[in-house]
Amino acid sequence: DAGVTQSPTHLIKTRGQQVTLRCSPKSGHDTVSWYQQALGQGPQFIFQYYEEEERQRGNFPDRFSGHQFPNYSSELNVNALLLGDSALYLCASSLALAGVNEQYFGPGTRLTVT
Amino acid sequence: AQRVTQPEKLLSVFKGAPVELKCNYSYSGSPELFWYVQYSRQRLQLLLRHISRESIKGFTADLNKGETSFHLKKPFAQEEDSAMYYCALSVGRRALTFGSGTRLQVQP
Repeated sequence: DAGVTQSPTHLIKTRGQQVTLRCSPKSGHDTVSWYQQALGQGPQFIFQYYEEEERQRGNFPDRFSGHQFPNYSSELNVNALLLGDSALYLCASSLALAGVNEQYFGPGTRLTVT
Repeated sequence: AQRVTQPEKLLSVFKGAPVELKCNYSYSGSPELFWYVQYSRQRLQLLLRHISRESIKGFTADLNKGETSFHLKKPFAQEEDSAMYYCALSVGRRALTFGSGTRLQVQP
């Protein structure tokens, strides 16, 4: 099991463009959460998907949207990119019915907006 | 809203010295508390969870509800413990709220 995988590894976009990031959860997991990690900060929660629906959302604007597919993989979309969106985007997967909220993280996608 | 505070950005100790990484949280209910670690060029990984009351790689952490703290401790630091450590809180088994992290440097 490769664990949580994310693609691409790195991405450079121009201000105003749109970007899509992808995540495949750990085998057996059904829940995907997305986090943004700015330089020198801890990860900040963006949203969580379960059963193909957004179950919880953090304090991020509507420019950030997502999707979960029937195979539990997920996409994060960001529209109208701003310079401040430059960050490491982390995907984490977990099992909804597990006894504890243990989230497994992917390696992240480094997004640079110029 | 819940909040996690890690007051130290950097903690530098010598090999064999005791280590204590501080974590304070604000939440009125009963959250789940975690410590995550990120070694150089590796992904974020779970180190400890308060509910398990376990010791991993010699590290322990005790939840103090009175002081709303969840400090991470190790009696004798090793060079391989050098990493970035994040304290995190979860409510209702959903989003993790992270602190800003503490970089632990263990010098030889």
